[in-house]
Amino acid sequence: TAGITQAPTSQILAAGRSMTLRCTQDMRHNAMYWYRQDLGLGLRLIHYSNTAGTTGKGEVPDGYSVSRANTDDFPLTLASAVPSQTSVYFCASSTDAGGEQFFGPGTRLTVL
Amino acid sequence: QQQVKQSPQSLIVQKGGISIINCAYENTAFDYFPWYQQFPGKGPALLIAIRPDVSEKKEGRFTISFNKSAKQFSLHIMDSQPGDSATYFCAALRGAGSYQLTFGKGTKLSVIP
Repeated sequence: TAGITQAPTSQILAAGRSMTLRCTQDMRHNAMYWYRQDLGLGLRLIHYSNTAGTTGKGEVPDGYSVSRANTDDFPLTLASAVPSQTSVYFCASSTDAGGEQFFGPGTRLTVL
Repeated sequence: QQQVKQSPQSLIVQKGGISIINCAYENTAFDYFPWYQQFPGKGPALLIAIRPDVSEKKEGRFTISFNKSAKQFSLHIMDSQPGDSATYFCAALRGAGSYQLTFGKGTKLSVIP
């Protein structure tokens, strides 16, 4: 099985433009997450979803939105990108809260 | 406020040596402490995890030592190999049903031949 796939692999985006990062999992996990990883800061949770139809805010949610229309997909949208959103974004999933989180390969986003 | 403090930021170890990475936490509500391993260009992957009801957990060459009273836990890699060269993150989760995994800032380990 593929596990978690993310698209695109990398992207350069002009400031002010919108962008949706895609995440799909095939493990039928209930919970999904979006993290950003910045050098020297580790991984920080942006948003999460504990089941289809529900989402929650993490540590750094400002400037990002998510939706969870079904179990498999959890897109992350930047409505109006800013340079501080330059980062590597990781999607993850787990069977339920507190379970092992499985990470995707990441999307490297550069906002100029 | 950084809830999980990790040290050192980088570590160089000779092949066959012991690598030790330390983490300290502040929130006594944390009750699950995983370590993740990340290779360049890849997503993090769970390496080993511990709950505070035990003081040590060993899986192969990897051992977590946990000191609940000091609110500290550490990862020991025995007989370190060049293939262990990666970035390691400690993390903590607060309570059953919690979704917010709090990560340390990471340690870049280089194992030299």
